[in-house]
Amino acid sequence: DQQVKQNSPSLSVQEGRISILNCDYTNSMFDYFLWYKKYPAEGPTFLISISSIKDKNEDGRFTVFLNKSAKHLSLHIVPSQPGDSAVYFCAASAGGSQGNLIFGKGTKLSVKP
Amino acid sequence: DGGITQSPKYLFRKEGQNVTLSCEQNLNHDAMYWYRQDPGQGLRLIYYSQIVNDFQKGDIAEGYSVSREKKESFPLTVTSAQKNPTAFYLCASTSQTGGNEKLFFGSGTQLSVL
Repeated sequence: DQQVKQNSPSLSVQEGRISILNCDYTNSMFDYFLWYKKYPAEGPTFLISISSIKDKNEDGRFTVFLNKSAKHLSLHIVPSQPGDSAVYFCAASAGGSQGNLIFGKGTKLSVKP
Repeated sequence: DGGITQSPKYLFRKEGQNVTLSCEQNLNHDAMYWYRQDPGQGLRLIYYSQIVNDFQKGDIAEGYSVSREKKESFPLTVTSAQKNPTAFYLCASTSQTGGNEKLFFGSGTQLSVL
């Protein structure tokens, strides 16, 4: 049973528009959420995170929104750039233990010029 | 520059053979982790170590073994007992074991069966 779900395997967006990647979770004990970006044959790189005490965190073009009542978070990228094309993984942990990060299956974002 | 180095980039395993994937970090991180990624899947935790000479099983530890004799090194052995070893293996580390610190990942090792 998946605790972290990314229901859209892929997303295609035009350059300059907004990309919205979604993530749902089932475990109410999760209190820390992260987004990672991954290029083929490379390791994931950290993008942005949010603690459950917040509902929004912003870093440049990237904003993560957390809706605890819906157990839903989303990553907004605006404006989208071709270099943003990658697989984005949502991850969650409970109790601050990074070893127990649970990852979603990822969403492949394609930003077209 | 500080970082996590995984080697080799590509590795081939014959039937019945044990192979070892290397992971070295010079970030002075206490905790290190091994994940496995299969196509279209998320990352699944194999083993992790929060301190030298100690490690714990993750969700899919069967058929794998690890050691943590030095803080900088956390090698993963894929044993012959792992019947489906073909996957992309990722090593990661973090500086704190109990706080909300992000994981740093290596560039990965693609293991295939001959």
